[in-house]
Order: sequence, then structure tokens, then C-alpha cells
Amino acid sequence: QMQLRESGPGLVKPSQTLSLTCSVSGGSMISGSYYWSWIRQPAGKGLEWIGRIYTSRNTKYNPSLNSRVTMSIDTSKNQFSLNLRSVTAADTAVYYCVRVFGYYESSAHFDSWGQGALVTVSS
Amino acid sequence: YELTQPPSVSVSPGQTASITCSGDKLGDKFTSWYQQKPGQSPVLVIYQNTKRPSGIPERFSGSNSGNTATLTISGTQVMDESDYYCQAWDSSSAAVFGGGTKLTVL
Repeated sequence: QMQLRESGPGLVKPSQTLSLTCSVSGGSMISGSYYWSWIRQPAGKGLEWIGRIYTSRNTKYNPSLNSRVTMSIDTSKNQFSLNLRSVTAADTAVYYCVRVFGYYESSAHFDSWGQGALVTVSS
Repeated sequence: YELTQPPSVSVSPGQTASITCSGDKLGDKFTSWYQQKPGQSPVLVIYQNTKRPSGIPERFSGSNSGNTATLTISGTQVMDESDYYCQAWDSSSAAVFGGGTKLTVL
């Protein structure tokens, strides 16, 4: 069974770039009808979709974050990554990397989640 | 696109809990539901409106019609006390989550 694990700095200064990597184990990222997403959750609040990336490197981002987000993928390492630029305290959250399953985006679902990584934005 | 959930729902053990999720013409979309216990990652409990992943108890079921999707938990157990989130895809293929519902079993 595939497992996902986030890694990266737990503390980022305001105006800097938040960078996280998700390592996928237990299977190949290019097998099956999977693609990959990042979702975040501020403390005590709900879930916010950040974006998704296909193994083809095609990306789609949340319009509210689009200007600051970049996702990348390295299938040879079974990893995908998130960069969020110009962070503020409002970006403090638990960040989850998530596997998405679905032949069509309209019917896809988030079927496997990493444990989450708390990232705090503070000077 | 917005999905609206009630902030909280209460149910007695053994009774049926219903959690709603409302959105414009939501019945024309596929809805998924996620369960999240404190300090844990969300877990998929319903996908494509009505389907249960393997390992999810049969007491969890879903429906979706008109502007409302509903997660129903029959014979609710204390272990079902969690936050529940609905999710759908908007017309631009961006994922949207509801604000979450805290289910209390008492």
C-alpha cells in the first residue's frame, strides 16, 4: 500500500518561500490512474486545496494561491514538491500531500493522505 | 464555487446521523466525504456520492441530489465522533471543500 510522507522546514520567515517535498513509498507514482495534490489546514480550521500535479508535470492551482504556488514532480525519485512564495502568517498550517485517484477529474477523490507537516511562518 | 455544511451535528449512540453539504446544482457533481479525528489526517469515507472505500463500515452511506449531498451514519458509534468534510470539483476542475461539520456522539 502506498504511503506518503511530507518533509521540509517547520519554520519559515515571512516573505520567504515555503518548500515541502512528499516522498511516495510502496509503489510507483506512474502506476494506475493517480495524480498528486497538496492540501493545507490552518489550526482549528478547514481543508484548503492548494493544487495538483500529474506525472506529465501538468499542474493546476487554487486560484487564490495561483500567483505564489509552484508544484513539481520527480517520478524517478518518487517525489513531488510544493513551493509557496512570499509567505505570511496566514500560510501557517498543516500541509498534507495527497494521492488523488480518478480517471476523470470530475469524479476523482483524495484516497491516501500523508501524516501532515506543520509549517509555521514567523520571524 | 462554495459548499456549505452545518458547523455541528449531535446524535445519540445507536441513532442515525445525517450531515448535509449544500452547493449550487451539487447533484450534478460527484461528492466525496472525509472523516478527520483530532490530530490525524483525513480519511476518505465516501466517494462518487455513494461508494465506500474498502475498510469503511457499512453504516456509512452517501447520497446526492438537487443542491444537497448527505452523509448518513446509521447506528452511530462513539468512535464516529469526528469532523467531516464534503468535497466536490468546480467547473474549472479545482477541488472545493465544505467548511466541515463536527459530529458529537452523546
